[in-house]
Amino acid sequence: NAGVMQNPRHLVRRRGQEARLRCSPMKGHSHVYWYRQLPEEGLKFMVYLQKENIIDESGMPKERFSAEFPKEGPSILRIQQVVRGDSAAYFCASTGTGSGNTIYFGEGSWLTVV
Amino acid sequence: AQTVTQSQPEMSVQEAETVTLSCTYDTSESDYYLFWYKQPPSRQMILVIRQEAYKQQNATENRFSVNFQKAAKSFSLKISDSQLGDAAMYFCAYRSSRMDSSYKLIFGSGTRLLVRP
Repeated sequence: NAGVMQNPRHLVRRRGQEARLRCSPMKGHSHVYWYRQLPEEGLKFMVYLQKENIIDESGMPKERFSAEFPKEGPSILRIQQVVRGDSAAYFCASTGTGSGNTIYFGEGSWLTVV
Repeated sequence: AQTVTQSQPEMSVQEAETVTLSCTYDTSESDYYLFWYKQPPSRQMILVIRQEAYKQQNATENRFSVNFQKAAKSFSLKISDSQLGDAAMYFCAYRSSRMDSSYKLIFGSGTRLLVRP
């Protein structure tokens, strides 16, 4: 029973390039969260998605960042025209329906912008 | 908006001793969930323990237990018989039960636990 799978684990991009981070939720889960962790900080909520729907994007920066969770395939967090301040760990988490369900995290994707 | 505060940036404990990590939160809701997550050097987020606010009994998981004080909005984590493998960052987190919250986790800033051999 595979857990939440994220790839790539490590990604290096030059300033101005695009970064794409992928997340496959745990089997049976249809809800995905993306969180960002800056160095020496806690995790900050970015976006909450269900299949084909963005439910809550209140934590997403207004520009350059987008997320999707298509009917088929993994969820994608896309960062366009990356800047050094985007360097962080990006965690995906998944859960089932309802507030009582546990949220399970992937191992994170580390983005370094050089 | 809910907030979670961890006032101890770093704690140290002798192996085999007991340590308590503090967490307070602010909410106007009566029904919610609280969690402690561990983040070892591998950076994986590992669920340590969860507490439902409607339950008066404190949650326990082996050497890990919580002291949940709902009126005081306090949720501390006690680690007994500390082991070297317990060394990690520990994050306290809050989750509303309201649908309009998106059920997202709100994290504190973390406490780094050092375990001395």
